[in-house]
Amino acid sequence: QSALTQPPSASGSPGQSVTISCTGTSSDVGGYDYVSWYQQHPGKAPKLMIYEVTKRPSGVPDRFSGSKSGNTASLTVSGLQAEDEAHYYCDSYAGNNNVVFGGGTKLTVL
Amino acid sequence: QLQLQESGPGLVKPSETLSLTCTVSGGSISSSSYYWGWIRQPPGKGLEWIGTIYHTGYTYYNPSLKSRLTISVDTSKNQYSLQVNSVTAADTAVYYCAPYCFATSCYTRRAFGVWGQGTTVTVSS
Repeated sequence: QSALTQPPSASGSPGQSVTISCTGTSSDVGGYDYVSWYQQHPGKAPKLMIYEVTKRPSGVPDRFSGSKSGNTASLTVSGLQAEDEAHYYCDSYAGNNNVVFGGGTKLTVL
Repeated sequence: QLQLQESGPGLVKPSETLSLTCTVSGGSISSSSYYWGWIRQPPGKGLEWIGTIYHTGYTYYNPSLKSRLTISVDTSKNQYSLQVNSVTAADTAVYYCAPYCFATSCYTRRAFGVWGQGTTVTVSS
């Protein structure tokens, strides 16, 4: 299984919206509605932000939203805030209880 | 609320075996709803799924690492463990343990909703 493809970087100004993509195949992203997104600040463990493509765990601001079309999932952060600056990783169920992660995207708030 | 804590040596010599343990609290490792996972992150790089284990001992491994991996579970201690054989510098990473809830009753199904704090392992002579 190959890693999911994410852009290495993304950026936006405070208050703007930014979308990060996560591209896989029909064997992972396209085949299952089990895409998750994680936020990771430097030196910290990842934090789950989105699961099952579109769902937010309690406590995650509704500024964070997820979607999927075909083999590509997306994370949109609306109303960017300084504290949103972090690395973001997607993962997907890949069948037979396997999981594959994306390479990660560094989000910079300008 | 589940809490997990990784433990093990921070330094391993090349060609030797890396061994880590994850201690689970706030819930039973024998839960029928969870697999128990390991994920690692080399310095400055992204996350990599290593594998997961069910409380019965059934394992699922990353195909790229499978030949060097052993994940085991000790239900009496509410712990599970990771061994990576024949390590090289490429195995230097922060290693995380995290539960993977797969049942239809799960709140965050097929996602790593809780993470340990991570433990740094350096492979060096």
